[in-house]
Amino acid sequence: AQTVTQSQPEMSVQEAETVTLSCTYDTSESNYYLFWYKQPPSRQMILVIRQEAYKQQNATENRFSVNFQKAAKSFSLKISDSQLGDTAMYFCAFMKLGPNAGKSTFGDGTTLTVKP
Amino acid sequence: GAVVSQHPSWVICKSGTSVKIECRSLDFQATTMFWYRQFPKQSLMLMATSNEGSKATYEQGVEKDKFLINHASLTLSTLTVTSAHPEDSSFYICSARVFGGIGQPQHFGDGTRLSIL
Repeated sequence: AQTVTQSQPEMSVQEAETVTLSCTYDTSESNYYLFWYKQPPSRQMILVIRQEAYKQQNATENRFSVNFQKAAKSFSLKISDSQLGDTAMYFCAFMKLGPNAGKSTFGDGTTLTVKP
Repeated sequence: GAVVSQHPSWVICKSGTSVKIECRSLDFQATTMFWYRQFPKQSLMLMATSNEGSKATYEQGVEKDKFLINHASLTLSTLTVTSAHPEDSSFYICSARVFGGIGQPQHFGDGTRLSIL
């Protein structure tokens, strides 16, 4: 079974600064996907970024980028130029491929507050 | 694209009532949908995986007779909370994956806040 650990329950950052959210996972799978989802106070979960395990290049989506260290099983999210709208709960998720693919394992989440 | 619509968004009802929540994929086919329960400031707890045309797969500890899931078409799954009691009050979220394609992320509905009086 897979486990996903987010060791930072809460974090805060000043507007326009950079913040990094950590995520580690444990799996015996070699091929899988990792995701970061954002859940703002409105409660809808939104995909932030996706990383394919077989790709060494770190995924980037505008101000959001990841530091994927496969050997260390680490998948951190960096938010640059933080904006007030980034305030949300962030979940790291693991999804394996093959049989029973599609079911994701989520971390406990990190509540991020962006301060003006 | 990949919009998931979940209704209702908020339900308040009396203890003993059965409540049905719908989850629809609006612009894609979803052979698999997932139902989660979430308590305030906590992670999503997977309740069951809903498969079109077959029985749902429930996670350990989830009562099948309490939480009835039906996935009758490629775009609709329903969760019925039968004889709901106050302890069933929670935020319920559905998600769906686009049919086909490797590594497709889950697309989530807006969630349903269920309050049992």
